[in-house]
Amino acid sequence: AQTVTQSQPEMSVQEAETVTLSCTYDTSENNYYLFWYKQPPSRQMILVIRQEAYKQQNATENRFSVNFQKAAKSFSLKISDSQLGDTAMYFCAFIYTGTASKLTFGTGTRLQVTL
Amino acid sequence: DVKVTQSSRYLVKRTGEKVFLECVQDMDHENMFWYRQDPGLGLRLIYFSYDVKMKEKGDIPEGYSVSREKKERFSLILESASTNQTSMYLCASSAPGGRGTDTQYFGPGTRLTVL
Repeated sequence: AQTVTQSQPEMSVQEAETVTLSCTYDTSENNYYLFWYKQPPSRQMILVIRQEAYKQQNATENRFSVNFQKAAKSFSLKISDSQLGDTAMYFCAFIYTGTASKLTFGTGTRLQVTL
Repeated sequence: DVKVTQSSRYLVKRTGEKVFLECVQDMDHENMFWYRQDPGLGLRLIYFSYDVKMKEKGDIPEGYSVSREKKERFSLILESASTNQTSMYLCASSAPGGRGTDTQYFGPGTRLTVL
């Protein structure tokens, strides 16, 4: 079974700075997808970014980018130019093509953006 | 935009009551999911469904059942609520596409308290 580990329960960053959230996963599969979801205080879970394992190029969405290291099974999220609206819980999630659409989530990292 | 709605944001029930949590999506998605979110544990899959009248157990199905009579609606049922079912419940849906790869879209969540 696959597992997803987020080793940073809480992080803090100043506005306009850059922060990196860590995620590692464990799987014996070769074909899978990785996601970062954001859950602000409003509780609505929102997709931030998605990475296909077969793609070597790191995914990017505006200020959000990932560092995907397949051999190391690492999938970190970098947030550039942090904004107050980035304050949220961030969850890393994994799904592999052999299962029935079952996402496996990490335990989350609470990010606080301060002035 | 995909919209997933849940019938209640907050719900308070008594031990032993039968509880229904409703979820509706408006994008004709075939896949629907129920998760439970607890601090320090991330999101855990309770049940999911690929199609009308189809259901499959997730990682923690005990004490829960589901119903999918219509494509757009997926209900989570607590037959006899217990205090250890106090939690945040999140519904999600995804488009058919390739199994295991589709982005899941989440509802706003229902915070259930069982007294």
